[in-house]
Amino acid sequence: NAGVTQTPKFRVLKTGQSMTLLCAQDMNHEYMYWYRQDPGMGLRLIHYSVGEGTTAKGEVPDGYNVSRLKKQNFLLGLESAAPSQTSVYFCASSNPQGYSNQPQHFGDGTRLSIL
Amino acid sequence: AQSVTQLDSQVPVFEEAPMELRCNYSSSVPPYLFWYVQYPNQGLQLLLKYTSAATLVKGINGFEAEFKKSETSFHLTKPSAHMSDAAEYFCVVSETYSSASKIIFGSGTRLSIRP
Repeated sequence: NAGVTQTPKFRVLKTGQSMTLLCAQDMNHEYMYWYRQDPGMGLRLIHYSVGEGTTAKGEVPDGYNVSRLKKQNFLLGLESAAPSQTSVYFCASSNPQGYSNQPQHFGDGTRLSIL
Repeated sequence: AQSVTQLDSQVPVFEEAPMELRCNYSSSVPPYLFWYVQYPNQGLQLLLKYTSAATLVKGINGFEAEFKKSETSFHLTKPSAHMSDAAEYFCVVSETYSSASKIIFGSGTRLSIRP
């Protein structure tokens, strides 16, 4: 009954370091998403994927890269971390329903601090 | 273009009193509308969704929301608030016939419950 699992849950990085956040879902969902959550701004879409091997940019993609080599996994990479990337990152997944793709299932988040 | 506005960033309510969290949307096509709840240090969970089947939508834990096209609103209500309802609530809009990227989150409303 795992749903969407994010690892790690917490991480502190120094400016310029790189890291990868992993998202895994066990619901066989086609769509996967990465969001960042900042105070007073709701969730903003970083990148998303509509299927294995495909990715696309969201609202705030700069400074991030993603890969979806397997249907169940969606990786978010920070090549050179900056303090502005301090945030809480959420992964979500969903399946197309008719002409929409809701509802989304969310992981518990990764709290990332860049010093 | 679609958008969603949550009119209140914080809403205090007395325990067992009725509550309402306001949400207004803008969409050029019939929208799908959702309310999610986020408890501290957790991901978002779906409360309810509107997909044009009925204008009054019932969700989990006694929550309801009414789709009012003339007012472009989708306010979340509960007749009697409980301490366990203290959380942040997000209104979300997704247009029909849209891609996975066309999901817009409101900025959130933090509900606090006073004894």
